[in-house]
Amino acid sequence: AQTVTQSQPEMSVQEAETVTLSCTYDTSENNYYLFWYKQPPSRQMILVIRQEAYKQQNATENRFSVNFQKAAKSFSLKISDSQLGDTAMYFCAFMAYNTDKLIFGTGTRLQVFP
Amino acid sequence: DSGVTQTPKHLITATGQRVTLRCSPRSGDLSVYWYQQSLDQGLQFLIQYYNGEERAKGNILERFSAQQFPDLHSELNLSSLELGDSALYFCASSAPGTGVTGELFFGEGSRLTVL
Repeated sequence: AQTVTQSQPEMSVQEAETVTLSCTYDTSENNYYLFWYKQPPSRQMILVIRQEAYKQQNATENRFSVNFQKAAKSFSLKISDSQLGDTAMYFCAFMAYNTDKLIFGTGTRLQVFP
Repeated sequence: DSGVTQTPKHLITATGQRVTLRCSPRSGDLSVYWYQQSLDQGLQFLIQYYNGEERAKGNILERFSAQQFPDLHSELNLSSLELGDSALYFCASSAPGTGVTGELFFGEGSRLTVL
């Protein structure tokens, strides 16, 4: 069975600084997707970034980028130039190809301070 | 706006009661998923339907059941409610061939409070 682990329950960062959220996962699958979802106080689940396991290049979306280490089964999220609106819970998630089942970690609560 | 609609947004009920949560997926999406998020926890996968058929099952209690109707909307039925069932219940949908993109689109959730 696949598992996703987020070892940082809470993180904080000052506005405009950079922060990295950690995620590790366990799977015997070779083909899969990894995701970071953001859940602001509104509780809406918002997709931040997606990585396909077969791609060696790390995904980037504006201020958000990942460090994907397939052999180490690690998938960290880097937020650059942090903004107050980045304050939220961040969930790492895993989906094996052709399963459509998204498995979430327990989340990291990020607080951005002015 | 994800295009996934969930009703009701909030629901308060008593132990032992039964409730039904409703989800309308994005137009054209065939898969519907239900997730449970207890206070300050991650999302736990409950069940998935694809075009009316159950496709995958997670840790869904026997007191809970779901179905997907011909118009593709889905309902999650929770019965004999207990205090521990208080949670945010999310519905998500995905397009056919999700294996291509892997993306799920989430509704805003239904917050259930059991007193």
